[in-house]
Amino acid sequence: NAGVMQNPRHLVRRRGQEARLRCSPMKGHSHVYWYRQLPEEGLKFMVYLQKENIIDESGMPKERFSAEFPKEGPSILRIQQVVRGDSAAYFCASSPRIRDTEAFFGQGTRLTVV
Amino acid sequence: QKEVEQNSGPLSVPEGAIASLNCTYSDRGSQSFFWYRQYSGKSPELIMFIYSNGDKEDGRFTAQLNKASQYVSLLIRDSQPSDSATYLCAVNIQGGKLIFGQGTELSVKP
Repeated sequence: NAGVMQNPRHLVRRRGQEARLRCSPMKGHSHVYWYRQLPEEGLKFMVYLQKENIIDESGMPKERFSAEFPKEGPSILRIQQVVRGDSAAYFCASSPRIRDTEAFFGQGTRLTVV
Repeated sequence: QKEVEQNSGPLSVPEGAIASLNCTYSDRGSQSFFWYRQYSGKSPELIMFIYSNGDKEDGRFTAQLNKASQYVSLLIRDSQPSDSATYLCAVNIQGGKLIFGQGTELSVKP
């Protein structure tokens, strides 16, 4: 049973470009969460999605960031017009249900904005 | 007050000793509690989860939960140098999202 798969593992973008981060949850998991870890900081929740629905986006910056989890295919975290401050590790986690269950993390995408 | 608080450390223990990691949380409605280990440059790895008051043991690891005191701890017995990492406490407050503490850096000296 493959774990949570994220790609790319490393992504370099110039300021102003778009970054697209992909996450395929574990088999049987329908809940996907995105977290961001800035250098020397803790993990911060960004968004929680189920298939075709955004359940909680309270941690998403109001501009330039969006997320989706389509009926088919991976979840996508999209960052438009990236700035240096977006440089961070972005982790995706998945779980099989909402309560009393552990979430498993992917290997992360390390975004560097130059 | 932060929602989930941990001492940042570093916590240094000799090999073979017991390492004790502590975490407090502010929301009394918190329902489930998790400990993750994160090596430098790697992703968080789940070690333990606990939902009920009391102790839960898994190998060298014991998680302790006291909801009245809003306190969660992780004990690592017979600490090994390979246990050197940052330990993240996480709390499920509402829905499925986790709120993480800042993490405690543990260093196990040979």
